[in-house]
Amino acid sequence: DIQMTQSPSSVSASVGDRVTITCRASQGISNWLAWFQQKPGKAPKLLIFAASSLQSGVPSRFSGSGSGTDFTLTISSLQPEDFATYYCQQADSFPFTFGPGTKVDIK
Amino acid sequence: QLQLVESGGGVVQPGRSLRLSCAASGFGFSSSGMHWVRQAPGKGLEWVAVIWSDGSNKYYGDSVKGRFTISRDNAKDILYLQMNSLRIEDTAVYYCARGVVVNPWPWIDPWGQGTLVTVSS
Repeated sequence: DIQMTQSPSSVSASVGDRVTITCRASQGISNWLAWFQQKPGKAPKLLIFAASSLQSGVPSRFSGSGSGTDFTLTISSLQPEDFATYYCQQADSFPFTFGPGTKVDIK
Repeated sequence: QLQLVESGGGVVQPGRSLRLSCAASGFGFSSSGMHWVRQAPGKGLEWVAVIWSDGSNKYYGDSVKGRFTISRDNAKDILYLQMNSLRIEDTAVYYCARGVVVNPWPWIDPWGQGTLVTVSS
């Protein structure tokens, strides 16, 4: 199975900050990677698919990059509604696997 | 609009069975792959299973393989998860979600609101 890791596990940031989250796969997955946002008590929401494609309706301050084993999610200017936990997920092969999550909270 | 509504969760004893349902509306269910994903209390996301739009292919996570079965009724627009030999570690919120892009339905969106399964004696 492909193992996914994320760093950092948590980050404290202020509104307006640029935030970058890293995701690493245990083997190459090309661009078969998605990013999700989850707020407490809510279902996850797809933000980015195919490593860098923005899901419809997602603000342009979110962006994704990477290929192979190393990927990043960037929030260019953090907004109050962005405080949440972010997960990466590989879709290269079954079983699909998620990273452990990165919690973005208020500094 | 597109909607996924899970049901069937509850409290069950270890070793017993439970069947979850997910009612879909607002999109072409019969042409969509479907996933189950779970989340233990306070923990991260764990992918459980996927089923192809016509039910021809099914894949499972390692921790549920041989115990859980995903199925669907395209005439009723309902997705199922039959869970047998339940363990305490199966306690979680179970989400159903649509798979986007044909085979292997890699992108998971949107998700239902989830149903809580608690395995406890």
